[in-house]
Formats: sequence, C-alpha cells, structure tokens
Amino acid sequence: DSGVTQTPKHLITATGQRVTLRCSPRSGDLSVYWYQQSLDQGLQFLIQYYNGEERAKGNILERFSAQQFPDLHSELNLSSLELGDSALYFCASSVEGAGRETQYFGPGTRLLVL
Amino acid sequence: AQSVTQLGSHVSVSEGALVLLRCNYSSSVPPYLFWYVQYPNQGLQLLLKYTSAATLVKGINGFEAEFKKSETSFHLTKPSAHMSDAAEYFCAVSRSGGGADGLTFGKGTHLIIQP
Repeated sequence: DSGVTQTPKHLITATGQRVTLRCSPRSGDLSVYWYQQSLDQGLQFLIQYYNGEERAKGNILERFSAQQFPDLHSELNLSSLELGDSALYFCASSVEGAGRETQYFGPGTRLLVL
Repeated sequence: AQSVTQLGSHVSVSEGALVLLRCNYSSSVPPYLFWYVQYPNQGLQLLLKYTSAATLVKGINGFEAEFKKSETSFHLTKPSAHMSDAAEYFCAVSRSGGGADGLTFGKGTHLIIQP
C-alpha cells in the first residue's frame, strides 16, 4: 500500500459525458501528479500540482483539467469524453515535487467510455 | 527533451536464470532514472532509482541497475529469477535541476518466468 488513494476504482460512462477522478496523496506529500496509461500511448504524464498550484503540464488534452485543493487532495476532470479516453488513470504523490524524489502511485481509476 | 527506450516488449527467462531488462535514455540534462514494477491490476511500485550518487543502485526484491553515462543506459538485473517476478517493468527518467516535470516512461517490458 503506497498511501495514495484514488476513487472510484472503476468508472463506466458514455461518450460526451464528464467525469471527475479523485486522489488523496500520502500524508505529508505536497505534490500530486496525474498519469494516463493506455495500450496505444503507454504511460503518459498529464499534469503536476504542488501545494495547490499547477507546476508542470504534460500531454494533457484541453478537455481535461485538474486542481489541487487546500487539503492537498486533487481532482482530474475529464469532459466531452471520447472512446479513446478509455484508460487507466494514475495519481502519484511526492514530498516536494523535485525530479529526484520517488513518486508513490495510487492503485488507479479504470475508465471505460462506451 | 527526454525519452526512454526499453528494448524488448516481452522477455522470457527460466526460474533461477539471470534477468536482464534493458533501458536506454536520452536527456539534455543529467537525468534521474527510475525502475518501476506493475503487477496485474495494481499501481506502480518503485524498484530502485539513480539520483547521481553511486552508479550501481540496489533495489528491492534483489534487483539492481547500473547507470552507464557513456552508453546512456540503465539496465535492470537480478541474478536469479523467481516466479513472483512476473510483472510489467517500466524504466523512467526525470530531469535534474529546478522545476521538475513528470516522469517520462518507456513502453514497458513484460517479464515472463518459465517454471
């Protein structure tokens, strides 16, 4: 158990819909990362937050957005969903968000868009 | 820009044999390098990481990796494979210096252990 929690574990929805994925980092970690894992694209970095502020952006679509709240939990919002958005979405956390730090991964949310 | 190449999407070894999973990286700045393992239906777990200290890094479960700057490689090895090592292994790189990005992952290597 990494200490990172993600809800829900599974999500099934329809094209065009909007969903919200939630992540709680390890106790004491200030930085949260979101990743997408799909068969086509592999594991891709989406976005990073540090102490409530966006720090780095990766291959995140404009239809996707995220935020980190004062209690440090984070939410990833996916809108206008397409079939190709079906994937496993991971959240990870680290203490300060520096490159040398270990990122601890949650168990993921599996999203299926029908 | 940085990238990671993992040679071999599938590697099969016999139980008790040497495990060698290959990883080559490209980075415009001195890299930090990581190996993660993913068991079925689980998240990623760190095996080991290189952060510019010793070039030979020892990790959990008997794995180790050697950073070779001249070869831009960070191959993962284990002297004797166990059935429990069957999993997906990912090599990843992040930037050194200020302002971290997320990890850039390779496409993964599926390790199969033959009894």
